[in-house]
Amino acid sequence: EVHLVQSGGGLVQPGGSLRLSCEASGFTFSHNWMSWVRQAPGKGLEWVANIKEDGSERNLVDSVKGRFTISRDNAKNSLFLQMDSLRVEDTAMYYCARPAYSDEAFDSWGQGTLVTVSS
Amino acid sequence: QSVLTQPPSVSAAPGQKVTISCSGSSSNIGNRYVSWYQQLPGTAPKLLIYENNKRPSGIPDRFSGSKSGTSATLDITGLQTGDEADYYCGTCDSTLSIGLFGGGTKLTVL
Repeated sequence: EVHLVQSGGGLVQPGGSLRLSCEASGFTFSHNWMSWVRQAPGKGLEWVANIKEDGSERNLVDSVKGRFTISRDNAKNSLFLQMDSLRVEDTAMYYCARPAYSDEAFDSWGQGTLVTVSS
Repeated sequence: QSVLTQPPSVSAAPGQKVTISCSGSSSNIGNRYVSWYQQLPGTAPKLLIYENNKRPSGIPDRFSGSKSGTSATLDITGLQTGDEADYYCGTCDSTLSIGLFGGGTKLTVL
């Protein structure tokens, strides 16, 4: 069974940094692209970033480019999202997700971790 | 404002059928597969449909998807009170190489 267990998150002041982690099990992590998706309170889903199996390709939504970095450690079956220069509008529940099918169709999701950016 | 347009809400009675639409463009739905998700309050989204019309194991055939041109639809038949949730369509943008979600549709089963 696929499991994605997230950690990190919390309360941070504007301009601060946080690192989210997502540990995978139950599948061959190094064979899968992985993604981050966020959801602001009371709002819809927003795709944030993805990374290729070997880390050689990374894509980010415009609103986080230059501030967020997606990375992975295949030896540790782990996905990361380094978030710098955080803004109030980055406040959201962040999910890691596995796109098991074509075109970012996510069959497995982490439990979510809340990031709150506030002074 | 989402690139993929969904109606904010739909409603129908138990046992009835409801259709949720998702409208995009040639740079996304028109050239990519569409997926659909159900999100119950306080939980992570759940994949209902992938590659336009395929159901993952365990998803009942009351849920079906289709795509035509730059639009996609999710049909739910035999509505149950447990189907009350938010529903999202998803795909990719061919040009920008990013994922996309619709704004979400809240389903109320009256």
